[in-house]
Amino acid sequence: GAVVSQHPSRVICKSGTSVKIECRSLDFQATTMFWYRQFPKQSLMLMATSNEGSKATYEQGVEKDKFLINHASLTLSTLTVTSAHPEDSSFYICSANPSGQGTDTQYFGPGTRLTVL
Amino acid sequence: GENVEQHPSTLSVQEGDSAVIKCTYSDSASNYFPWYKQELGKGPQLIIDIRSNVGEKKDQRIAVTLNKTAKHFSLHITETQPEDSAVYFCAASRDQAGTALIFGKGTTLSVSS
Repeated sequence: GAVVSQHPSRVICKSGTSVKIECRSLDFQATTMFWYRQFPKQSLMLMATSNEGSKATYEQGVEKDKFLINHASLTLSTLTVTSAHPEDSSFYICSANPSGQGTDTQYFGPGTRLTVL
Repeated sequence: GENVEQHPSTLSVQEGDSAVIKCTYSDSASNYFPWYKQELGKGPQLIIDIRSNVGEKKDQRIAVTLNKTAKHFSLHITETQPEDSAVYFCAASRDQAGTALIFGKGTTLSVSS
């Protein structure tokens, strides 16, 4: 149980294009999902907290107009990197907090490697 | 806000030895402390967690201890195997649904056979 998937696992795009990454909780519902960014050999940097049916909460320094988050259902959150540039190249990871447990337990997806040329 | 410090940043052990990774936290209201294992190119995997109502938790070769007074918690891996080689992250939170985890900087564990 507690499986989180991400799609795509790897994407290469040209500078200026937009890329959408999906995060799905496969066997549980998640009112809250989180999006992280991870640079090589570094820790996870929280970008935003995604809540089903409401606007995402972004961490300081994260541009909400550049990183669009939509959490339209209890099993799906999407992150869209708009007008991507090479500096947006990174490993993006989502996590999901199972609903109804009243705890912070988070299960992570396998990550998406974004390369912007 | 919460700050989590993790040591050491790298740890090399021989197969069969024990490995210990330590974390300290600053927010006395934190009461949930998970540990994650991340292999190269993959997402973090929850391996064990502990809440402040207990001082120790064990799952086969993995154990976590918590000292709330000193605000530190540790991961213990016994009888290490090469497949234990990975980056390990500790984290802390107030364990209220929907709140974010605060992560340590990670420990790269290398187990040589």
